[in-house]
Amino acid sequence: DVKVTQSSRYLVKRTGEKVFLECVQDMDHENMFWYRQDPGLGLRLIYFSYDVKMKEKGDIPEGYSVSREKKERFSLILESASTNQTSMYLCASSWSGGNTEAFFGQGTRLTVV
Amino acid sequence: ILNVEQSPQSLHVQEGDSTNFTCSFPSSNFYALHWYRWETAKSPEALFVMTLNGDEKKKGRISATLNTKEGYSYLYIKGSQPEDSATYLCARYNYGQNFVFGPGTRLSVLP
Repeated sequence: DVKVTQSSRYLVKRTGEKVFLECVQDMDHENMFWYRQDPGLGLRLIYFSYDVKMKEKGDIPEGYSVSREKKERFSLILESASTNQTSMYLCASSWSGGNTEAFFGQGTRLTVV
Repeated sequence: ILNVEQSPQSLHVQEGDSTNFTCSFPSSNFYALHWYRWETAKSPEALFVMTLNGDEKKKGRISATLNTKEGYSYLYIKGSQPEDSATYLCARYNYGQNFVFGPGTRLSVLP
């Protein structure tokens, strides 16, 4: 059974904290993605990576960074958490090319207080 | 940002009704169009991946069509059941190797 696993289902952090969200996939996918989902806005791309150590900004990268040191792991870092980063964060992975489906993690509900 | 639009935003139907949703997207430099179902408290799961103009795909009571020249896709559900209640997302795969998602259509099927 293929899997994308996110490290936490729920997180509560304080404003200004550095926050790490981890994502691991076991399908040897080249591509990995981080999205956030907010009501009425759908999934918005924060960052994606198409290879180890490679990263590309998505539509809303401000306030975030990423790390991909190993093919199976893609980390999202909130450098200094703010209340407007309270959201649902979804990790996904896929083969390159777009003609096969993406697989998603279970999501992390982050609340910044 | 290459916007992907979906309509309606939400939909309430009675059990047994058939329904359909629309996904519209920029038609230039098209690679692929994906449909996902996202049930509450679960991860989004793929329904269809379509790449060719005129593609029609079917999975049980759910089917989808694709028109890449005019930039739209329809998702049909025949005989809706309460377990079909979910948010349905479409996503266009872009040349830059990322997905652009629409805002989703939230379907509620009332027993």
